[in-house]
Amino acid sequence: AQKVTQAQTEISVVEKEDVTLDCVYETRDTTYYLFWYKQPPSGELVFLIRRNSFDEQNEISGRYSWNFQKSTSSFNFTITASQVVDSAVYFCALSGGGSTLGRLYFGRGTQLTVWP
Amino acid sequence: EAGVAQSPRYKIIEKRQSVAFWCNPISGHATLYWYQQILGQGPKLLIQFQNNGVVDDSQLPKDRFSAERLKGVDSTLKIQPAKLEDSAVYLCASSHSQERKNIQYFGAGTRLSVL
Repeated sequence: AQKVTQAQTEISVVEKEDVTLDCVYETRDTTYYLFWYKQPPSGELVFLIRRNSFDEQNEISGRYSWNFQKSTSSFNFTITASQVVDSAVYFCALSGGGSTLGRLYFGRGTQLTVWP
Repeated sequence: EAGVAQSPRYKIIEKRQSVAFWCNPISGHATLYWYQQILGQGPKLLIQFQNNGVVDDSQLPKDRFSAERLKGVDSTLKIQPAKLEDSAVYLCASSHSQERKNIQYFGAGTRLSVL
């Protein structure tokens, strides 16, 4: 079974602080995909990144970076120098390979609030 | 490029009434998904279409929920009759079947309140 755990329900930081959102996953598939989505107050889920299980390279995109570690089944997301516009709910999600490819299993999300 | 369109944005009904939601996916996206997001939780897949065929509806409460995707483009999700626990945001997503297959792009959702 696929499972995603986001243990942090809410995080509050002050602008310009760095913040890391944790994601731990469970799967028996050898091929799988991990995602992060952002959900601002408008409600639309915005795609941020996809990683496949064979690519453990960390990725950086501007102020965003992702750390994928298969040894700990984690896919953590760091925002550097946070800004008020980063305030949103962030979801980590997992998609298995094979017949379940396509279905996303989401964590419960982490509400990030960035104060000016 | 236009995103996933959903309507209405909000709907308030009484229990036992019927309701329908509409989704228009990104042009060219063969795969369409409906998710239910209950307050404080992550979205949960209800049904997945590939063109106009159902790929996965294992999580759809078929006694009251139905969905169709005629002609493989637009889709409607219906609840009949609604229960209080159906209060949630219903999200539609689509993905391209050939390229970057399982990156799903979401609409803004329909927020349903059942009184």
